[in-house]
Amino acid sequence: QVQLQQSGAELAKPGSSVKISCKASGYTFTSYYISWIKQTTGQGLEYIGYINTGSGGTNYNEKFKGKATLTVDKSSSTAFMQLSSLTPDDSAVYYCARVVTTVALFAYWGQGTLVTVSS
Amino acid sequence: DIQMTQTPSSMPASLGERVTISCRASQGISNYLNWYQQKPDGTIKPLIYYTSNLQSGVPSRFSGSGSGTDYSLTISSLEPEDFAMYYCQQYDSSPLTFGSGTKLEIK
Repeated sequence: QVQLQQSGAELAKPGSSVKISCKASGYTFTSYYISWIKQTTGQGLEYIGYINTGSGGTNYNEKFKGKATLTVDKSSSTAFMQLSSLTPDDSAVYYCARVVTTVALFAYWGQGTLVTVSS
Repeated sequence: DIQMTQTPSSMPASLGERVTISCRASQGISNYLNWYQQKPDGTIKPLIYYTSNLQSGVPSRFSGSGSGTDYSLTISSLEPEDFAMYYCQQYDSSPLTFGSGTKLEIK
């Protein structure tokens, strides 16, 4: 069965970076893009971008350019998202999701990773 | 960016009731509209894609409809496991955007 297992909660200081992971199993990793979505109480769900897990090509929501960097490690079927120059506004739950590109459907989701930015 | 407005933001309802959740786009989105359910533990799953197509494994009590700027998700007869948050998502234009959510609560 398809599973996306995300790394655990992070507590980070303002100005630092965090890198969260999303390990895929139950399917051929390079056959599907992985997207990342941010969820906060105030802003709801926000689309960050996607990575082509085969080529490593990326596409970002303009809002998250310079904030998020998406990468993959095909050898371990793992996608990563690094968030840099953290501020309290980056505190959120971050989800990875496998994408059905023809209908831009997030068909499978990870369990979410809570990132808290606080001094 | 296309703004997606969901109404109502919360909805008390009873078991067995038929409910409809609305989603309005700030411009026409040509039926490029998906629906998701989020449980209190954070688990998210897709329900409907391209306005009215039921995702595999989703019960037939869920249905979607709409066109232009106005779309809806209907649950024909509420089951206990349906009390959750629901979100719409458009993919007509970049960036993909989501509605603000509707919380379906037990009356």
